[in-house]
Amino acid sequence: QVQLVQSGAEVKKPGASVKVSCKASGYTFTSYGISWVRQAPGQGLEWMGWISAYNGNTNYAQKLQGRVTMTTDTSTSTAYMELRSLRSDDTAVYYCARVYASGGHAFDYWGQGTLVTVSS
Amino acid sequence: SYVLTQPPSVSVAPGQTARITCGGNNIGSKSVHWYQQKPGQAPVLVVYDDSDRPSGIPERFSGSNSGNTATLTISRVEAGDEADYYCQVWDSSSDHPYVFGTGTKVTVL
Repeated sequence: QVQLVQSGAEVKKPGASVKVSCKASGYTFTSYGISWVRQAPGQGLEWMGWISAYNGNTNYAQKLQGRVTMTTDTSTSTAYMELRSLRSDDTAVYYCARVYASGGHAFDYWGQGTLVTVSS
Repeated sequence: SYVLTQPPSVSVAPGQTARITCGGNNIGSKSVHWYQQKPGQAPVLVVYDDSDRPSGIPERFSGSNSGNTATLTISRVEAGDEADYYCQVWDSSSDHPYVFGTGTKVTVL
């Protein structure tokens, strides 16, 4: 069965960086893309970006350009999302999601989420 | 970027039908997906490409999309359907290709 398992919760100080991992299993990793989505406390879902696990191509949300980097390690079927220069409003639960490869590119499987808290 | 608007809340009695709308400019020309999110859990895909259901999702969940409005319909609502619901579209021509709606809290009375 398809599973996306994310790394554990993080507490960071403003200005620091965080790197969240997302280990995939149960499918051919390089056949699908991975999107990252975050959700601030009590707020809605915000798309952060997408990476192709096939060739590493990326597409980042404009508001995060320059602060976010998404990568993959095909040898371990793991996707990573690094966010730099953290601010208090980056406090959120961060999700990875598999992007269904056809049709309207729905997010068909999600990780369990990683809480990132930014606080001095 | 593209904006999707949902009502903040919908209330429905058990056994009745809940309809959640998602408004966007000419949304009928795009593929719409719907996610259910219960408190403390990750979202779950319940309808994709306007009206298809992933395996394991009950037939009570259905979707439609036309003009400027997409709709998720939950028939014979159960207490377990109480959750937040988000619509989403993919716009391949946009520099912000994945957009989520504002979310709707469904309350089962």
